[in-house]
Amino acid sequence: DAGVIQSPRHEVTEMGQEVTLRCKPISGHDYLFWYRQTMMRGLELLIYFNNNVPIDDSGMPEDRFSAKMPNASFSTLKIQPSEPRDSAVYFCASSLRGRGEKLFFGSGTQLSVL
Amino acid sequence: RKEVEQDPGPFNVPEGATVAFNCTYSNSASQSFFWYRQDCRKEPKLLMSVYSSGNEDGRFTAQLNRASQYISLLIRDSKLSDSATYLCVVDGGSNYKLTFGKGTLLTVNP
Repeated sequence: DAGVIQSPRHEVTEMGQEVTLRCKPISGHDYLFWYRQTMMRGLELLIYFNNNVPIDDSGMPEDRFSAKMPNASFSTLKIQPSEPRDSAVYFCASSLRGRGEKLFFGSGTQLSVL
Repeated sequence: RKEVEQDPGPFNVPEGATVAFNCTYSNSASQSFFWYRQDCRKEPKLLMSVYSSGNEDGRFTAQLNRASQYISLLIRDSKLSDSATYLCVVDGGSNYKLTFGKGTLLTVNP
């Protein structure tokens, strides 16, 4: 299996632009997570899905952030409009089932908002 | 109290040393505990799960103290390749929301 695949690896954009991050989880995994990592705050859970349904989005910082999972093999995280404070590494992760399961992370998207 | 708290380090130790990391968590209902490892500019990867009775995997030993809400990781006979950030991870108790600590940076020196 190719693992969790994220794209793009790097994104540089200007403040106010829309940014879309993409994730393909491991086939057969029921859970998908979006995390954001910064030096100041560490890894923060933004949202997670179970069987394509959003379960907890309490970590989404504000309405500028949205996430979708239209099918079991694809998810997007969108920021509109982007701001410099959104600059971070965004990780997508998936797991086979629920509690106690290992998380498999993608390589992350390094986002820089100028 | 923060949900998951770790000593940020950095820890600088010589090869062969024994080093211990500690982590405290605030949710007494948490049921799943893990240590992840993250190399510089890479994604986190599972190092080991932490079980109530404590568990060992080669040079690594993890322990859980539910009464004190405390998790530890012991690395014996440190190798250069152990240099990384070690992340303590705890679930949300009633949900599967995994919270990561900010990590402890370890550098093993020759």
